[in-house]
Amino acid sequence: AQSVSQHNHHVILSEAASLELGCNYSYGGTVNLFWYVQYPGQHLQLLLKYFSGDPLVKGIKGFEAEFIKSKFSFNLRKPSVQWSDTAEYFCAVNGNSGTYKYIFGTGTRLKVLA
Amino acid sequence: DADVTQTPRNRITKTGKRIMLECSQTKGHDRMYWYRQDPGLGLRLIYYSFDVKDINKGEISDGYSVSRQAQAKFSLSLESAIPNQTALYFCATSDSLPASGGADTQYFGPGTRLTVL
Repeated sequence: AQSVSQHNHHVILSEAASLELGCNYSYGGTVNLFWYVQYPGQHLQLLLKYFSGDPLVKGIKGFEAEFIKSKFSFNLRKPSVQWSDTAEYFCAVNGNSGTYKYIFGTGTRLKVLA
Repeated sequence: DADVTQTPRNRITKTGKRIMLECSQTKGHDRMYWYRQDPGLGLRLIYYSFDVKDINKGEISDGYSVSRQAQAKFSLSLESAIPNQTALYFCATSDSLPASGGADTQYFGPGTRLTVL
């Protein structure tokens, strides 16, 4: 079955701490991978995505993610978080052929303490 | 100037009532989606439409129906609302970019918070 697992449901960090949010997927065939972010009171928006090429992708606001095909993982990282990174983060996957339906993970709530 | 708008933003209704949630977009995208978000469950796809004549069920379509009135409009209906349909509902759009291999960016509306009593 197609699924996305985000193992950290709630994360609390102090400013300047490093961040890594885990994402593992189960999806047949070649995949596209995404991280979306939902800041308090705002729309969901794309943080970054991978569909081909360099497995290390860089997104907005200093975030990056690495696609490791052998581990079915697409973990999100940021070397030094800021209070403004407080948000909910969603990992998502779709296939790059066929119906392109998205499967989202359950989300990780990140709180950064000032 | 929001690209994806949803109405209403909040709605409280009673069990058994028919409810329609509306979504409009000015991005000119062909693809539109309806999701619901529940705490601890993330976003789950209800229905999606790749053009005006194309409607497809998502993973949780039971109890819902949709209408794609035009490229810019995609409505979600709950024919007879029940309490477990209480959730946050999101509409999204995406373009179809062949060069991206299906990795379309989705653009989300602000959400409709629906409470069914």
